[in-house]
Amino acid sequence: NAGVTQTPKFQVLKTGQSMTLQCAQDMNHEYMSWYRQDPGMGLRLIHYSVGAGITDQGEVPNGYNVSRSTTEDFPLRLLSAAPSQTSVYFCASRTTSKQGAGYTFGSGTRLTVV
Amino acid sequence: DQQVKQNSPSLSVQEGRISILNCDYTNSMFDYFLWYKKYPAEGPTFLISISSIKDKNEDGRFTVFLNKSAKHLSLHIVPSQPGDSAVYFCAASAGNFNKFYFGSGTKLNVKP
Repeated sequence: NAGVTQTPKFQVLKTGQSMTLQCAQDMNHEYMSWYRQDPGMGLRLIHYSVGAGITDQGEVPNGYNVSRSTTEDFPLRLLSAAPSQTSVYFCASRTTSKQGAGYTFGSGTRLTVV
Repeated sequence: DQQVKQNSPSLSVQEGRISILNCDYTNSMFDYFLWYKKYPAEGPTFLISISSIKDKNEDGRFTVFLNKSAKHLSLHIVPSQPGDSAVYFCAASAGNFNKFYFGSGTKLNVKP
């Protein structure tokens, strides 16, 4: 059981480049989400999904796109990277069958935009 | 403006003593709270939760207390162990388990 797998672990982008951060979970969790962690700010929710075909915005969605075509995968796309998107990105999932269940987080992707 | 605040960036405690990590929130609609622990280069791991219908929840060495009138919660670790050294985040949601708001974290150092 791998849990939540994020790839890549590290990435350096130039301003204006695009890329996709991958997230996959093998726990059949309905809910998946993306957070970014910045110094002094904690984790902030970017986008989330409660099932295949359903996505919604979180606290800081601008500059990011998501889609959920399968239960297992929830990729995060940066269409035109900006230095302000330099951050550590975490993907998280949870089951919705147990109310209040905590998230399972991936190990993170450290992104630097130069 | 952050709705969940952890005002102590760091805390140092001797092994065997109690660690108390604090968290304040501003949104009176928050009704569910979580604590996570995070080691370097890893994702956060779920530790303990509490609903607003309770004022205390225990799980082994970890106890979370909720004071709704003060909009304050705390995590007690007794006894503290060196393996507890990590960053601790509190998080809150308002009737919606899909959106949690996190504090900025407190780095706990437990000295042997």
